[in-house]
Amino acid sequence: GENVEQHPSTLSVQEGDSAVIKCTYSDSASNYFPWYKQELGKRPQLIIDIRSNVGEKKDQRIAVTLNKTAKHFSLHITETQPEDSAVYFCAASKTGNQFYFGTGTSLTVIP
Amino acid sequence: KAGVTQTPRYLIKTRGQQVTLSCSPISGHRSVSWYQQTPGQGLQFLFEYFSETQRNKGNFPGRFSGRQFSNSRSEMNVSTLELGDSALYLCASSPNAGTYYGYTFGSGTRLTVV
Repeated sequence: GENVEQHPSTLSVQEGDSAVIKCTYSDSASNYFPWYKQELGKRPQLIIDIRSNVGEKKDQRIAVTLNKTAKHFSLHITETQPEDSAVYFCAASKTGNQFYFGTGTSLTVIP
Repeated sequence: KAGVTQTPRYLIKTRGQQVTLSCSPISGHRSVSWYQQTPGQGLQFLFEYFSETQRNKGNFPGRFSGRQFSNSRSEMNVSTLELGDSALYLCASSPNAGTYYGYTFGSGTRLTVV
């Protein structure tokens, strides 16, 4: 089955700096790559996603890039704010309702 | 409109017991998926149900089972609980099988096995 690896497991940045989280996947048939943000005690929430026919997608301060050849995708957060502090999960899917998740990155934005 | 509702929110069970968790999807959503979240393993897929049928199953032992009712509500059952089953169990619903959009998680049921 699919194997998704995520790095780093923890990340601390100063407020206003950028944060980058990277994921790799193993199944070339995966074609959908969402990113979820989970605050302490809350449910995971979708923050951005990308389909395999697109190389990059941006939504305000958040962007995701996908390299299908290398089978990796990354989340970029610019101008980080304290409210960006959370655990971020990447995921890969080829069936639409079964997601394989990375092990998460705990992001801390230091004011 | 109401989100995905999971009950109960917290549960404490003794090793060897069984437990049933419930998930009510967003109104109109017909697909329900279940995940186990633990600190070491992250989120792991358990199974997916659509139209009362299990479509996909993850790599979990047979002690983990589920079902879906005609109103799309789903339950998962864990029999002969082990300490390692302590986790946050999340369900997610989406409008249809095989669709990426509208995939929404509930807040989870925190199961502690003692």
